[in-house]
Amino acid sequence: DVKVTQSSRYLVKRTGEKVFLECVQDMDHENMFWYRQDPGLGLRLIYFSYDVKMKEKGDIPEGYSVSREKKERFSLILESASTNQTSMYLCASIGRAPPYNEQFFGPGTRLTVL
Amino acid sequence: AQTVTQSQPEMSVQEAETVTLSCTYDTSESDYYLFWYKQPPSRQMILVIRQEAYKQQNATENRFSVNFQKAAKSFSLKISDSQLGDAAMYFCAYKRSGGGADGLTFGKGTHLIIQP
Repeated sequence: DVKVTQSSRYLVKRTGEKVFLECVQDMDHENMFWYRQDPGLGLRLIYFSYDVKMKEKGDIPEGYSVSREKKERFSLILESASTNQTSMYLCASIGRAPPYNEQFFGPGTRLTVL
Repeated sequence: AQTVTQSQPEMSVQEAETVTLSCTYDTSESDYYLFWYKQPPSRQMILVIRQEAYKQQNATENRFSVNFQKAAKSFSLKISDSQLGDAAMYFCAYKRSGGGADGLTFGKGTHLIIQP
């Protein structure tokens, strides 16, 4: 089974702190994604990466950056956390082999910025 | 840009009954994929069913089936014989075909309540 893990289920940070959210997948997937989930808004794509050191902006990249130094790991960085970044963050991955186009999700990190 | 619309924020159904969740989408592409994901209280996103746009036959997975109307850009999910474990948020999602690098575009979700 594909496994996507995220470093924390719950995280509480203070405004202005630098925050790292880590995601690791164990299926050698090329593509990895970070989404943000808010009530009434569904999931929105923040950033994605299609290879090591490669990254692309999604729909809402402002206030975020990412890092992919190794194929299995994709990090989301909040350089200076703000209260409007309080949300659920979901990581996902997808490979180029079957099952095509099925994204596998991690369990999510609920981030609270005080 | 693609958009996905789920017009039912919340639905309620009696256990063992059938319920249909609605989803419409907008795209100029001719080839794409559509998905229904389930998110129970555990927050783990689980793929329920997938439909390739080039296939005319509606996808079915056990008690879950879709009604895919390509011309109308409609993709509804039917859950038969509803069970308590079906209670969850359900998200409709769209993905352009042609490789895995694109993210999914999600609807805002439908909260499904199962009445015992």
